[in-house]
Amino acid sequence: EVQLVESGGGLVQPGGSLRLSCAASGFTFSNYAMSWVRQAPGKGLEWVSAISASGGSTYYADSVKGRFTISRDESKNTLYLQMNSLRAEDTAIYYCAKFISSGTAMIDYWGQGTLVPVSS
Amino acid sequence: DIQMTQSPSSLSASVGDRVTITCRASQGINNYLAWFQQKPGKAPKSLIYAASSLQSGVPSKFSGSRSGTDFTLTISSLQPEDFATYYCQQYYTYPLTFGGGTKVEIK
Repeated sequence: EVQLVESGGGLVQPGGSLRLSCAASGFTFSNYAMSWVRQAPGKGLEWVSAISASGGSTYYADSVKGRFTISRDESKNTLYLQMNSLRAEDTAIYYCAKFISSGTAMIDYWGQGTLVPVSS
Repeated sequence: DIQMTQSPSSLSASVGDRVTITCRASQGINNYLAWFQQKPGKAPKSLIYAASSLQSGVPSKFSGSRSGTDFTLTISSLQPEDFATYYCQQYYTYPLTFGGGTKVEIK
């Protein structure tokens, strides 16, 4: 059974940093591209970032480019999102998502999400 | 960026009704369109990919179709567990983009 478990969320001040983790199990992590999607309170879904199966290609939404960094550790079956220079508008639930294959950006599984409030 | 325009933003329907939600892409995306269901306080769930293919385990009352850059999600007979918010998403190119969502409420 595919499981994606996010952690690392919590209250952070504007300008601060946070690193989110997503522990993956139930599939061969190194074979699949992965992504982060966020949802501000009461709002819709917003794609944030994606990383290829090899980790050699990364993609970012303009709203986070230059501030967020996606990475993966195959030895730990874990996906990361390093978030720097956080702003109030980054407040959201952050979901980890698995793509159906290495060659397509189609999401088939989601984690349960971790909440990141950015506030002073 | 490809804009995904979803309509309606909300609808009220009764148990047993047939419900249709539409999503329009601002440019061609072939069949690279997915639909997700989200219930309050829960993570999204994948329903349909490639415009009309059901994810494993998704009941056949859900169906998807495409006409050019217009996509449709249909629920053939609405059940209590189907009241939720539905999102479309294009995965033709980065940045990936979602529709604004359609909240399906009980009439």
